[in-house]
Amino acid sequence: DAGVIQSPRHEVTEMGQEVTLRCKPISGHDYLFWYRQTMMRGLELLIYFNNNVPIDDSGMPEDRFSAKMPNASFSTLKIQPSEPRDSAVYFCASSFYRQPQHFGDGTRLSIL
Amino acid sequence: EDKVVQSPLSLVVHEGDTVTLNCSYEVTNFRSLLWYKQEKKAPTFLFMLTSSGIEKKSGRLSSILDKKELFSILNITATQTGDSAVYLCAAILSGNTPLVFGKGTRLSVIA
Repeated sequence: DAGVIQSPRHEVTEMGQEVTLRCKPISGHDYLFWYRQTMMRGLELLIYFNNNVPIDDSGMPEDRFSAKMPNASFSTLKIQPSEPRDSAVYFCASSFYRQPQHFGDGTRLSIL
Repeated sequence: EDKVVQSPLSLVVHEGDTVTLNCSYEVTNFRSLLWYKQEKKAPTFLFMLTSSGIEKKSGRLSSILDKKELFSILNITATQTGDSAVYLCAAILSGNTPLVFGKGTRLSVIA
């Protein structure tokens, strides 16, 4: 079975540029989560969706961050404009309700 | 505020040692606790614990939950260098907040 698929694996860009991260969840899972991980703050939940509908985006740090899930098999996390402090590893995860989440391999984002 | 606290933050042991990692939680509407292992990439699922006092085992790893004292432990016996990783615990809650993660314990096993 294919797991959660994220792209790109690495992204290096200059501050001020738009960044789009992509995620394909495991087929059949009805929850999708976006996390950010840094050494200082650990794993932080940014936003999650249930059946393609955003449920809680209170973890999204600023208006520069936005996320969409146009269908059950695809989600994007966008940062515009990007800043150096956005540098982190961004994980997407999916699950059935209240079951363990399965994580993608993450996107390592570096904003110069 | 819901929180999950792990200790120690980091640990260095020699191969063959036994280690115990701790996870305490203060959350509302607790349902279950999860343990994950994170090496270079994504966290991978180890255990899900819902009932107190029932040990879950997988090879050299085992875990147990105490819902009265609000903590869980993860034991690793006869450690190997391949056990080196960050171990994360997370609480599953009822209601809208799906998971609350601790900051992890970084385990280094040296030969």
